[in-house]
Amino acid sequence: GAGVSQSPRYKVTKRGQDVALRCDPISGHVSLYWYRQALGQGPEFLTYFNYEAQQDKSGLPNDRFSAERPEGSISTLTIQRTEQRDSAMYRCASSPPGAYEQYFGPGTRLTVT
Amino acid sequence: KNQVEQSPQSLIILEGKNCTLQCNYTVSPFSNLRWYKQDTGRGPVSLTIMTFSENTKSNGRYTATLDADTKQSSLHITASQLSDSASYICVVSPPYGQNFVFGPGTRLSVLP
Repeated sequence: GAGVSQSPRYKVTKRGQDVALRCDPISGHVSLYWYRQALGQGPEFLTYFNYEAQQDKSGLPNDRFSAERPEGSISTLTIQRTEQRDSAMYRCASSPPGAYEQYFGPGTRLTVT
Repeated sequence: KNQVEQSPQSLIILEGKNCTLQCNYTVSPFSNLRWYKQDTGRGPVSLTIMTFSENTKSNGRYTATLDADTKQSSLHITASQLSDSASYICVVSPPYGQNFVFGPGTRLSVLP
């Protein structure tokens, strides 16, 4: 079946612009996670949802970062007024009810120039 | 602060050889510890998941061990293959919430 998909796969934006990254989880997966991964580092947790409820957003680095999942399926991670330090791979993962396992998407490579 | 450290940072071995990767963590208490394999350009794929009460878990040629007293885990790879070349990431989860703490990973290169 279809896995987790993310779009766009690559995004180049100028400093100060807003960007929106999209995640399509596996159908039926209730939990959805966002991670940020710098080159050569492990993924850093940002936030996660159960259905449409944002359960934990403690990993969001500052108030320029926000995420939503209004209908409990597709999620959008928005970064406002992007800065060069925001450049990274942003990965989304989903998991079925009651499971530890997370299924990762291919990621969105964000480059802020 | 909850932390996960891994060693070595990188490792090169010959095809067919065994190797062991280490993970030390300060997350306490914790719910479970998992090892991920991440191929270049791909998302992490789970290899093993252990709860705090488990000591070992195997997945084919991969065997993970856990010592909750010393807060150490290891991932042993037997009879390595070229396809084992990847980053191996140790991830620890506290019992409350789902804020997984990721280690920096060990970059393994298997040479013919």
